[in-house]
Amino acid sequence: AQSVSQHNHHVILSEAASLELGCNYSYGGTVNLFWYVQYPGQHLQLLLKYFSGDPLVKGIKGFEAEFIKSKFSFNLRKPSVQWSDTAEYFCAVNTGGGNKLTFGTGTQLKVEL
Amino acid sequence: DTGVSQNPRHKITKRGQNVTFRCDPISEHNRLYWYRQTLGQGPEFLTYFQNEAQLEKSRLLSDRFSAERPKGSFSTLEIQRTEQGDSAMYLCASSLSGAGGIHEQYFGPGTRLTVT
Repeated sequence: AQSVSQHNHHVILSEAASLELGCNYSYGGTVNLFWYVQYPGQHLQLLLKYFSGDPLVKGIKGFEAEFIKSKFSFNLRKPSVQWSDTAEYFCAVNTGGGNKLTFGTGTQLKVEL
Repeated sequence: DTGVSQNPRHKITKRGQNVTFRCDPISEHNRLYWYRQTLGQGPEFLTYFQNEAQLEKSRLLSDRFSAERPKGSFSTLEIQRTEQGDSAMYLCASSLSGAGGIHEQYFGPGTRLTVT
């Protein structure tokens, strides 16, 4: 069965700092990868997704992620974070079929002014 | 609002009682998923439907849990004889499926269950 690891559980950054959140998955076959974000008091929203093609994918609000197949990784990046990026970020993978998602445990990001 | 909706948003119940949650997906979506999220964890898959057919159930879905999607539109998740360990956020998501391949899931706000 597939699994997803997010090694950073809590991250605190100052505004304008660069962000990189790690995500590693375990599955040897074709995967589809997602990053979801949950802002305080809101529901999960899709930030970006990778299905195939260019391994560098761009999402909303200036976020991007790079799929590195050899490292089983899909790290999330943003060059300059804003206070409004304070949220919990979840990496997820599915392996086709019913498209059920397997999520990581999440990373709580706090951006300080 | 054309997003996924869930009712109720909060439910407090006593151990041993039955509870039922409802999910209304985005109207044109034929797939509907249920997940459970506990504190400090990511959502965990419970079950999913394609139209009215329940196609997969997780081993997390004990025999006290039952889900239905009778007309391929809204879905209900019932928990019988609730236990304190059932306390969690129950999330519903919906998506399209078909020849277009993989489609992203859109999540509802969840129903927070507290079993006392």
